[in-house]
Amino acid sequence: EAQVTQNPRYLITVTGKKLTVTCSQNMNHEYMSWYRQDPGLGLRQIYYSMNVEVTDKGDVPEGYKVSRKEKRNFPLILESPSPNQTSLYFCASSPQPTPGGNQPQHFGDGTRLSIL
Amino acid sequence: GDSVTQMEGPVTLSEEAFLTINCTYTATGYPSLFWYVQYPGEGLQLLLKATKADDKGSNKGFEATYRKETTSFHLEKGSVQVSDSAVYFCALRPDTGFQKLVFGTGTRLLVSP
Repeated sequence: EAQVTQNPRYLITVTGKKLTVTCSQNMNHEYMSWYRQDPGLGLRQIYYSMNVEVTDKGDVPEGYKVSRKEKRNFPLILESPSPNQTSLYFCASSPQPTPGGNQPQHFGDGTRLSIL
Repeated sequence: GDSVTQMEGPVTLSEEAFLTINCTYTATGYPSLFWYVQYPGEGLQLLLKATKADDKGSNKGFEATYRKETTSFHLEKGSVQVSDSAVYFCALRPDTGFQKLVFGTGTRLLVSP
């Protein structure tokens, strides 16, 4: 079954304790992306990757890091989490996007992070 | 910059009622337009899409028409079901900055029996 898998689904942690949210896709997609979802703000892009070893900032990258060492994996790293990073996070993947292209993104089920 | 504006929710309807969720966009050129649906506790799923003016996307009884003259992509369904209760997101992929989808804020739909 084609899917994007995120782990963990839920996490409560404390300020400053490094954490990693993993994301893996089995569709051989070149493109992967991380979003955060906050009430009234919709989904905002954190980072994206067009291919292995190619990553770039989205709209809200501060406080986050990513890596893309393998095509299937795209972990999100919070080196020193803070309460304003409490949010619902989604990983997504797609075939290589093109200008105005219709490639849909496939989303994971989300990771709910609470930073105390 | 590129943006998507959706109607505020929640939208509350009775089963079998007609649904319209408004979506307008701001973008240069010819973006692709999408509707995604998010059921409770799940990620977003593609509902339908349209890539050029006057295209109509449709799926599961939902429809939306790409209107370039009014920069709109309103979602409609003739007869909603309780199982349609979810959050609906309108989104676009721009011509430039195409590496991301630009999402609206989402509209929650609640359908009662």
